[in-house]
Amino acid sequence: DAKTTQPTSMDCAEGRAANLPCNHSTISGNEYVYWYRQIHSQGPQYIIHGLKNNETNEMASLIITEDRKSSTLILPHATLRDTAVYYCIVTSGGSNYKLTFGKGTLLTVNP
Amino acid sequence: GAVVSQHPSRVICKSGTSVKIECRSLDFQATTMFWYRQFPKQSLMLMATSNEGSKATYEQGVEKDKFLINHASLTLSTLTVTSAHPEDSSFYICSAATSGRQETQYFGPGTRLLVL
Repeated sequence: DAKTTQPTSMDCAEGRAANLPCNHSTISGNEYVYWYRQIHSQGPQYIIHGLKNNETNEMASLIITEDRKSSTLILPHATLRDTAVYYCIVTSGGSNYKLTFGKGTLLTVNP
Repeated sequence: GAVVSQHPSRVICKSGTSVKIECRSLDFQATTMFWYRQFPKQSLMLMATSNEGSKATYEQGVEKDKFLINHASLTLSTLTVTSAHPEDSSFYICSAATSGRQETQYFGPGTRLLVL
């Protein structure tokens, strides 16, 4: 699976949009981009995933660049409860369904 | 939907004893369940993958005789830490996935194990 690079930490003001970047320059054509988050001392939570097109659900939006070498997770109106470590994971799926968690980005939402 | 539970949430045991952790998918059938371990200030590390009715596949470096995994039904997987030692103290997290999109894993809340 392609390696991802994320900033170690980010801050965001409550009520503002949080934009979390992820670089995956070695991504191959059949690999998906997945985002999970982990609030302190809890299990990770699935957020969203995409292949080529931008995706949106009730939690977030995922913007994938046209060359697919990077993506951005957008939390449109961050709340204090969104403070967590956010993981960007690239995986090809199929028989290779493993999720390899890196260090992720610690997003701190400030009041 | 897609709720996964774990029991117990926290366990303290003496060195040398065995501990069983249950992972249940509450509202869907999980063809595949995964077990992870997370040490303080580190990321999740996959320990093993289990498919219902078959033997688990362990990651390199994980002792299969020490970490016994059973996936007897489509809603239940268990992890037994045998002869636990203090170095096994960790946060154990399971996840479950349905067939077809096994990367979309739904995680349990985790079990914190402390071995004295």
